[in-house]
Amino acid sequence: EVQLVESGGGLVQPGGSLRLSCVGSASIFRTSWMSWVRQAPGKGLEWLANIKEDGTDKYYGASVKGRFTISRDNANSLLFLQMNSLRAEDTAMYYCATQGYALFEYWGRGTLVTVSS
Amino acid sequence: QTVVTQEPSFSVSPGGTVTLTCGLSSGSVSTNSYPSWYQQTPGQPPRALIHSTNARSSGVPDRFSGSILGNRAALTITGAQADDESDYYCVLYVGSGIYVFGTGTRVSVL
Repeated sequence: EVQLVESGGGLVQPGGSLRLSCVGSASIFRTSWMSWVRQAPGKGLEWLANIKEDGTDKYYGASVKGRFTISRDNANSLLFLQMNSLRAEDTAMYYCATQGYALFEYWGRGTLVTVSS
Repeated sequence: QTVVTQEPSFSVSPGGTVTLTCGLSSGSVSTNSYPSWYQQTPGQPPRALIHSTNARSSGVPDRFSGSILGNRAALTITGAQADDESDYYCVLYVGSGIYVFGTGTRVSVL
């Protein structure tokens, strides 16, 4: 069974930083593009960023480009999202997901980020 | 900035058929948009239903089907069941490695 588990969420002040982690099953992690997706309370899903299997290619959505950085550690089946200059509108549940050929197949249960003073 | 639009809500009777659609703010959806569809119930992560326009994910019942209708992607639920009551999201590939989720459709079965 493929498992993804996010961590690192919490309460942070506006302008602050946070690093999210996602640990995955080794069987699929190393051979998958990976994405971060978020969902603000009561709102829809928003794709944020993805990273190629070997980490050489990365892409970002417009709302986070320049503030968030995606990275991965394949040796330990870890995915990261470094979030800087956080704003109230970044408050959301953050999910990691495997990204097959245009398919977000496996999802974690998410980690909640709250940006508030 | 690209916006992907979906109907806000639909209501369907048990056993009935409903078609949800997904469109681009500018331009047409095609197979090159690689549309995929996800089902989400409250408090749960999304579940993949359909990818690459019409390929069902593993374990997804065949009452769910995907297609292109005109210039939009479509998800059809045939023979709706009570546990199909959920939020449904499409995702489109818009080029340059970028994906955009649709605004979501809430389906009620009653």
